[in-house]
Amino acid sequence: DAKTTQPPSMDCAEGRAANLPCNHSTISGNEYVYWYRQIHSQGPQYIIHGLKNNETNEMASLIITEDRKSSTLILPHATLRDTAVYYCIVRVRGSNYKLTFGKGTLLTVNP
Amino acid sequence: GAVVSQHPSWVICKSGTSVKIECRSLDFQATTMFWYRQFPKQSLMLMATSNEGSKATYEQGVEKDKFLINHASLTLSTLTVTSAHPEDSSFYICSARTMVNTEAFFGQGTRLTVV
Repeated sequence: DAKTTQPPSMDCAEGRAANLPCNHSTISGNEYVYWYRQIHSQGPQYIIHGLKNNETNEMASLIITEDRKSSTLILPHATLRDTAVYYCIVRVRGSNYKLTFGKGTLLTVNP
Repeated sequence: GAVVSQHPSWVICKSGTSVKIECRSLDFQATTMFWYRQFPKQSLMLMATSNEGSKATYEQGVEKDKFLINHASLTLSTLTVTSAHPEDSSFYICSARTMVNTEAFFGQGTRLTVV
């Protein structure tokens, strides 16, 4: 699976949009981009995934660049409960589904 | 999303004893379950993958005789830490998915402290 690079930490004001970047310059054509988050002392929570088109669900939006070498997870109106470590993972869908977690980005939403 | 439940949420045990952690998929049949371990301030590390009715596949460096995994049904997998030692103290998390191409969902984790 391709490696990803994320900033170690970010801050965001409550109510504002949080934009979390992820670089995956070695992504292969059949690899998807997945985002999970982990609130302190809890198991990870699936957020969203995409291949090449932008995706949106009730939690977030995923913007993937045209060359697919980077992506941005957008939380449109961050709340204090969104404070968590956000993991960007790229992997082939339909394989044995190993999720390899990097260090992620600690997003702190401030009041 | 689908619900995965782990039990217990936390456990304290004496060194040398064994501890069993359960992972249940509550509203779906999990063909594959994964067990992770997370030490403080570190990321999740995959320990093993188990498919229902088959032996688990362990990641390199994980002792299969120490971390016994049983996936006897489509809704339950167990991880038994045998002869636990203080260095086994960690946050253990399970994940489950159904058929290929569906997302994996995680349990809430089990905090194991060996004293």
